[in-house]
Amino acid sequence: QVQLVESGGGVVPPGGSLRLSCAASGFNFNYYAIHWVRQAPGAGLEWVALILYDGSNKFYADSVKGRFTISRDTSNNTVYLHMNSLRADDSALYYCAKLKASAAMWDASDFWGQGTMVTVSS
Amino acid sequence: AIQLTQSPSSLSASLGDRVAVTCRASQGIDSGLAWYQQKPGKPPKLLIYDASTLESGVPSRFSGSGSGTDFTLTINSLQPEDFATYYCQQYNRYPFSFGQGTRLEI
Repeated sequence: QVQLVESGGGVVPPGGSLRLSCAASGFNFNYYAIHWVRQAPGAGLEWVALILYDGSNKFYADSVKGRFTISRDTSNNTVYLHMNSLRADDSALYYCAKLKASAAMWDASDFWGQGTMVTVSS
Repeated sequence: AIQLTQSPSSLSASLGDRVAVTCRASQGIDSGLAWYQQKPGKPPKLLIYDASTLESGVPSRFSGSGSGTDFTLTINSLQPEDFATYYCQQYNRYPFSFGQGTRLEI
């Protein structure tokens, strides 16, 4: 069955860095775009970043552009979110999710992980 | 960036009711819209994609309509498990974006 498992969250001081991982299994990782969506405590969903199935293109929310980098490693079916210059308003539960259709660039997300929590605090 | 505005922000209803949630996009997005249901402590669950296509396994009491800038999620005959928060998401253009959510309460 399809599984997406996030890890790497934790407490980090303002200005610090963190790398989140999204380990995928149960589907052909090489055919699907993956994105990150975050949710601050008690708040709504915020789209963060997406990497296409072949890694050829990456897209970012304006709020993280220049600070976050998304990447993927086909050798271990994992997508990463490298986060630099972290701010208090980056504190959130970070989900990864796959796009529904293979090789899709624009699509809904049919499977989500359970999330990993990031807290930016001194 | 495309802004999505959901209304209402919260909604009180009873078992068996029919309810509708609307989502308005700040610019046209064709049919590139999805609806998700989220319960506390859980990730979002896909209900509707391409504005009106029901995701496999989702009960037929859920339906979606609209295109362009105005979209509606309708739930017929509310069941106890339907009380949750609902989000629309556009994927017509990058950056993708979500509506602010609609909390459906008993």
